[in-house]
Amino acid sequence: SSELTQDPAVSVALGQTVRITCQGDTLRSYDASWYQQKPGQAPRRVVYGNNNRPLGISDRFSGSTSGNTASLTISGAQAEDEGDYYCNSRSSGENYYVVFGGGTKLTVL
Amino acid sequence: QVQLQESSPGLVRPSETLSLTCTVSGGSITSYFWSWIRRPPGKGLEWIGDIYHTGSTNYSPSLKSRVIISIDTSQNQFSLKMTSVTTADTAVYYCARFAYNYGSWYFDYWGRGALVSVSS
Repeated sequence: SSELTQDPAVSVALGQTVRITCQGDTLRSYDASWYQQKPGQAPRRVVYGNNNRPLGISDRFSGSTSGNTASLTISGAQAEDEGDYYCNSRSSGENYYVVFGGGTKLTVL
Repeated sequence: QVQLQESSPGLVRPSETLSLTCTVSGGSITSYFWSWIRRPPGKGLEWIGDIYHTGSTNYSPSLKSRVIISIDTSQNQFSLKMTSVTTADTAVYYCARFAYNYGSWYFDYWGRGALVSVSS
C-alpha cells in the first residue's frame, strides 16, 4: 500500500499527554517524519527519524516507531500545540514515491 | 539559513498549464532533493514530485502524466509545470527541500506557499 493512515481528529485536555499514530507499509523501510501546520502557515517539521527534533522544537514532542506504525507523542499539551499534524515517509528503491498521512486535527481543550 | 520562495501565477484557466518556480537562497541547490507539495482547500498535504540537482525526477503516480519538474542550477531555481488543470488542482503549492538523516526522509525547509486557483 502507498498510504499512511492517521486518525482524522484527536483532542487532549490542557497539560495532558496525547499520542497521534500513523500506519503504513513504507514505515517498515524508513522512519516517519512529523509536521505541524497551523492555518495560513507552511508545515513545520517537529520530529524526524527515531525521535529527533529540529532546533527550536520543544522537548514535549517525541516520536517512536514499531513495525509499520509510527507515533507522535505530545507531553503536557499546550494551547499553541493546536493544529494539523501530518506524518510522512518514503518508499524504498530508486523509483520511489513520497507519501503523507491524511492528517490529524489536534484540539487542546 | 536556507530560504525558499514560490512564484505564483495566482489564477489559471481550466485545461491550461500551471507554472510555478521556487527560488532557493542561503544555500546551494546542487545537493539534496527539491520537492513540490500541495494542499487543496479542506484537504491534506499531497506530494507532487521532486528533483535532484542532476535532473533526476520522481513523481506521484496519480499526477505523473501531467507534471514536469525541472531545475536550473545556475539560477538556484526549480520549477513545476502541470498541464490540463481542473478545479481540483486549486491548492496552496509549497516548494520544500527533501533530506535524509537518522533513518528518516524529511522536508526541512519550506516556502511560504503560493495559492493557485483554477477557475474560468
